[in-house]
Amino acid sequence: GAGVSQSPSNKVTEKGKDVELRCDPISGHTALYWYRQSLGQGLEFLIYFQGNSAPDKSGLPSDRFSAERTGGSVSTLTIQRTQQEDSAVYLCASSLGGSSYNEQFFGPGTRLTVL
Amino acid sequence: AQKITQTQPGMFVQEKEAVTLDCTYDTSDQSYGLFWYKQPSSGEMIFLIYQGSYDEQNATEGRYSLNFQKARKSANLVISASQLGDSAMYFCAMREGHNQGGKLIFGQGTELSVKP
Repeated sequence: GAGVSQSPSNKVTEKGKDVELRCDPISGHTALYWYRQSLGQGLEFLIYFQGNSAPDKSGLPSDRFSAERTGGSVSTLTIQRTQQEDSAVYLCASSLGGSSYNEQFFGPGTRLTVL
Repeated sequence: AQKITQTQPGMFVQEKEAVTLDCTYDTSDQSYGLFWYKQPSSGEMIFLIYQGSYDEQNATEGRYSLNFQKARKSANLVISASQLGDSAMYFCAMREGHNQGGKLIFGQGTELSVKP
């Protein structure tokens, strides 16, 4: 079956612009996660969705970052007024549930470059 | 404090030999899960193996095994009979039971290079 997909695969933007990153999880997966991978910070958790609600937003670095999920499926991560330090690979993952034993399946990521 | 520590930024191994990638973790939870992921140069994160904190046996998946030493809080990955395709970054990760949704906490990674 289809895995987790993300779009775009690459995004180059200018400082100060807004960007939207999209994630399509595996069908039937109720849990969805966003992570960020950057050279200086490694892999960091951003936000977790269970269905359409986000019980854990603790990793969002500032109020410029927001995310939503609709229909228990597609999720969009929005970064407003992008800064150069937002440059990173943004990874989305999904799992059957939010239990500690549920494996997370990752998408290919969106590489964001802020000039 | 680092929750997941991978002390080997880079490792080399000869093809067909075994290699151990180190991982130590820190948690006060009794229930947690430990994961290893492989990230080739293409960038995708590939799940390799899982160990639950209550599992008494070490996890194995094909050529991968996890050497789980709970008292020492270590969860080392052992790759047997290394292949050239094993060259990649390897990340150890933990999900703590108290965290609703079980977000993954990652180590800094170990870059493995397999030499022919």
